[in-house]
Amino acid sequence: NAGVTQTPKFQVLKTGQSMTLQCAQDMNHNSMYWYRQDPGMGLRLIYYSASEGTTDKGEVPNGYNVSRLNKREFSLRLESAAPSQTSVYFCASSGMGGVTSYEQYFGPGTRLTVT
Amino acid sequence: ELKVEQNPLFLSMQEGKNYTIYCNYSTTSDRLYWYRQDPGKSLESLFVLLSNGAVKQEGRLMASLDTKARLSTLHITAAVHDLSATYFCAVVDDSWGKLQFGAGTQVVVTP
Repeated sequence: NAGVTQTPKFQVLKTGQSMTLQCAQDMNHNSMYWYRQDPGMGLRLIYYSASEGTTDKGEVPNGYNVSRLNKREFSLRLESAAPSQTSVYFCASSGMGGVTSYEQYFGPGTRLTVT
Repeated sequence: ELKVEQNPLFLSMQEGKNYTIYCNYSTTSDRLYWYRQDPGKSLESLFVLLSNGAVKQEGRLMASLDTKARLSTLHITAAVHDLSATYFCAVVDDSWGKLQFGAGTQVVVTP
């Protein structure tokens, strides 16, 4: 039981390059989330998916796209990377129903640098 | 719009002393979560508080929830170096489970 996994762990991009961050969970959770974390800014929600086939914008969606490929996988795409997207990206998932509803489980993170 | 405020944002603790972190939120919610993040690491769940008056304890940490006051506290008893980390509270923001996080409290414990 791996929980939430993310790839890659580290990435350096040049301005204008594109890339996709991958996230998968094996807990049969319905909801999945992408956050970015910048120093002094806490966690900011980029996009989330309440269930397979649905996605919604969070607080800071500009410059990103997402795909909920199936129940397990939720990817985040940067079409044209900018230095302002240098950050640590976390994927999370949560279930519904029961005592631990909505508790989010986090992946290990991806450290992205855009030069 | 749900707002979650933590204070203090930075807390320098002396080993052996007691401290409290406060988490205020702006709308009614009966679920609140505390997470811990070590430097360079991911977030780890500490406590899930599910109702008014809920109290959870794990070692030197105790969390409580007062939904009427819209306030949760994280109390640290006899701080030790291992508790140095950033602590986040989070409140459920919608029926799908979206959480709104506080800004985090960076805790540094020194001898």
